[in-house]
Amino acid sequence: YVLTQPPSVSVAPGQTAWVTCGGNNIESKRVHWYHQKPGQAPVLVVYDDNDRPSGIPERFSGSNSGNTATLTISRVEAGDEADYYCQVWDSSSDHVVFGGGTKLTVL
Amino acid sequence: EVQLVESGGGLVQPGRSLRLSCAASGFTFDEYATHWVRQGPGKGLEWVAGISWNSDNIAYADSVKGRFTISRDNAKNSLYLQMNTLRPEDTALYYCVAPRLRYNWNYGAYFPHWGQGTLVTVSS
Repeated sequence: YVLTQPPSVSVAPGQTAWVTCGGNNIESKRVHWYHQKPGQAPVLVVYDDNDRPSGIPERFSGSNSGNTATLTISRVEAGDEADYYCQVWDSSSDHVVFGGGTKLTVL
Repeated sequence: EVQLVESGGGLVQPGRSLRLSCAASGFTFDEYATHWVRQGPGKGLEWVAGISWNSDNIAYADSVKGRFTISRDNAKNSLYLQMNTLRPEDTALYYCVAPRLRYNWNYGAYFPHWGQGTLVTVSS
């Protein structure tokens, strides 16, 4: 199972950023999202399509429909600049699958 | 507080072996599946292998199947990754990761808990 993400997304501070994750019938899977800043371990920001772990701001939300899942970051801040990865469990192979990652640049 | 501390990384020649360890604390280790995820220099995240809480379920990425073996010792709260026949493309930071849900192998396979990683460099 392959997850496809755009290599980069740019957004101005205060605007909304959308990071997409494409996969065949991805809506049938639960999608999870991580961000990773340089030199740090990844951090889970959204799980099960649209749930947030404690401590993650409400500005982070997710959706999943058809062949595309989307991470939405509202009111983007400079501190949101990071690499973002989507992830699913592929039940047909018992494999965890990560997308290739998207670098979010805050202009 | 959940802590995952990896060790065992280092510089190794192609074709040689290395064993990674992950010491877990702050949670009931024998109730959770655990996994290894790696990240090559300047590259994205790649899942390597996973093992269920009782070792009944084990899975490997195609890129390491037949060369790597994941195991755990619940009495020692430890996870291991035996890596044989190492290749330069195995060079990466290896993370030990744990999920949020107990006794879950599949739909709960997402990871709020990550170690800081141990670096494996395969080079002659």
